[in-house]
Formats: sequence, structure tokens, C-alpha cells
Amino acid sequence: ETGVTQSPTHLIKTRGQQVTLRCSSQSGHNTVSWYQQALGQGPQFIFQYYREEENGRGNFPPRFSGLQFPNYSSELNVNALELDDSALYLCASSLSGTVYEQYFGPGTRLTVT
Amino acid sequence: GQQLNQSPQSMFIQEGEDVSMNCTSSSIFNTWLWYKQDPGEGPVLLIALYKAGELTSNGRLTAQFGITRKDSFLNISASIPSDVGIYFCAGRDTNAGKSTFGDGTTLTVKP
Repeated sequence: ETGVTQSPTHLIKTRGQQVTLRCSSQSGHNTVSWYQQALGQGPQFIFQYYREEENGRGNFPPRFSGLQFPNYSSELNVNALELDDSALYLCASSLSGTVYEQYFGPGTRLTVT
Repeated sequence: GQQLNQSPQSMFIQEGEDVSMNCTSSSIFNTWLWYKQDPGEGPVLLIALYKAGELTSNGRLTAQFGITRKDSFLNISASIPSDVGIYFCAGRDTNAGKSTFGDGTTLTVKP
């Protein structure tokens, strides 16, 4: 059983650019959530995807968008990057339903200069 | 929005000592979760609590879901060097994907 994987590991972008981060879910998991973790803070929920549809969103602007594919892998897209977008972006997969727990990937470290 | 207050922010202890950390919220949660995060890794789930008053153990770790559903604590007994890391509490209401995290307790264990 393979765990959650994310790519790339690290990324440096310039303010105003766009970025796409990728996540492969743990085998058999149909739900993916994305979190932003700023330095020294806990992860903040961005949104969740289930069956290729957004299924819940945190307090993030529309320039944060996502996709989930039929194989349950997922992308996080951020447009018009700002300096404050610099953070660790975590993907977590689970089965749907409140009793199932999430498994986190190692994250993508994004630096915006 | 919902916020979790996690304390202490950091702890420095000797190997073999017991550790206690807690989390409080202004909102009620249906599930409390405790995670550990090592440098360069994502959070790893340690204990999940689903019922008010529940006390659950995982090896040397014990966690409790507060009766008011607004707090939880985590105890680590007989700490060892590999316990070093950042411990996060998280609360969840209904959506399994959306957890609200505290800002973590950084644990340092001196041999």
C-alpha cells in the first residue's frame, strides 16, 4: 500500500506567478484535502475534493483552486502569487465519512520572492 | 472562525520524564485528534478521540476528549529522544476532511 506522495518537494516562484502542486492519494482513498502550513503554525484547511468535486472550503480566496482526477490524484493551483503564500502545502487523503482518518503527505515547500 | 489554543508552546524535558500538553477551543468539536510532525514530514496521526470523556492510549501516549467537548489533553509517559518533534491537536466537527489545528507544542527531550 503506497502512502500519500506530493510533488515537487520544493519550489521557488516570483510574486504574481502561478503555481501547480500535485498529490497522489493513498491507494483506495477517494477524498483529498489540502492544507497550508505557515512557519511556526498549524495547518490551515484550504479545501477538500470528493469524486472530483469541491466538497468544503476554508477561508482562502478564489485564486486558490483545485482539481481531483478520476484516479483520485489532485492538484492545487494558486494564481497571482503573493509573498504571504510562502508556506508548506500539505495534501491529505482519506475515505469519505467522518470515521475515516486522514493521512498526510510530506508537503511541498513553496517560497515566493 | 474556530480557533484552538494549544499549550505550552514549547517544552524542554529530560529523558524519562512525563509530558502533558493540552488544547482548548471556544467551539465544540465531535472529534479530537493528536498529530506529531517531524521536520520535512507531514503530520502523523497519533490518537483519535470520538466521544466526550473518552480516554485512549497508544503505547506511552494517552489522550482524553474533554467532557465539555471543548478541550483535550495528551500525555506522554517516560519520554525518549525520538519523542522530539511538534505535537498538534486538531478538532473536527462533521466534515472528515476539515480539521482545525492548534499551533503546536514543540517538544525537546534531553538525553
